[in-house]
Amino acid sequence: AAGVIQSPRHLIKEKRETATLKCYPIPRHDTVYWYQQGPGQDPQFLISFYEKMQSDKGSIPDRFSAQQFSDYHSELNMSSLELGDSALYFCASSLRGSATNEKLFFGSGTQLSVL
Amino acid sequence: ILNVEQSPQSLHVQEGDSTNFTCSFPSSNFYALHWYRWETAKSPEALFVMTLNGDEKKKGRISATLNTKEGYSYLYIKGSQPEDSATYLCAPHQTGANNLFFGTGTRLTVIP
Repeated sequence: AAGVIQSPRHLIKEKRETATLKCYPIPRHDTVYWYQQGPGQDPQFLISFYEKMQSDKGSIPDRFSAQQFSDYHSELNMSSLELGDSALYFCASSLRGSATNEKLFFGSGTQLSVL
Repeated sequence: ILNVEQSPQSLHVQEGDSTNFTCSFPSSNFYALHWYRWETAKSPEALFVMTLNGDEKKKGRISATLNTKEGYSYLYIKGSQPEDSATYLCAPHQTGANNLFFGTGTRLTVIP
């Protein structure tokens, strides 16, 4: 079965550079979530989208932006990167209102390293 | 931000032992409680989604109970196996919210 696909798997950037992370949800899933997990920390919710509209916003810095496109894939854009942005970025998708009570399916994550 | 607490933070058990850990969350505006298993180098995998007070779910040797009135859930593992070694995350879903807030997780290590 198709899963959530994230690209790239690994990304190395320098301070003050920009980065774009991509997430392709499971087909027919209408909701996408972004989570950030720093070293030794619990996953922190960043932002979510439902039907291409921003649904909820968590601890996402102003330097970051995200959107969900017409094909439901989502991109997380990160500018003016800082060392503290180094983390594992997970994307998850779900089908709102599904019988599974919106169980989240996670991608493998993008490991971002800022040097 | 939702205050979600999981205890203990880490746990070491011998193969064959049974174990359990706790997730505490605000009982107000409760909609659902998710449990995920996160193995090293893999992505989190959903175990259970629970909605009803008193609900009990089971998947093989793993089961979970839910108390929505007092805001806690227990996860039980019977006869732990080395492959159960993982971080177990709980995440409550509140009414009207469009995301899950994850706890810090319980890191389980099963010693062969």
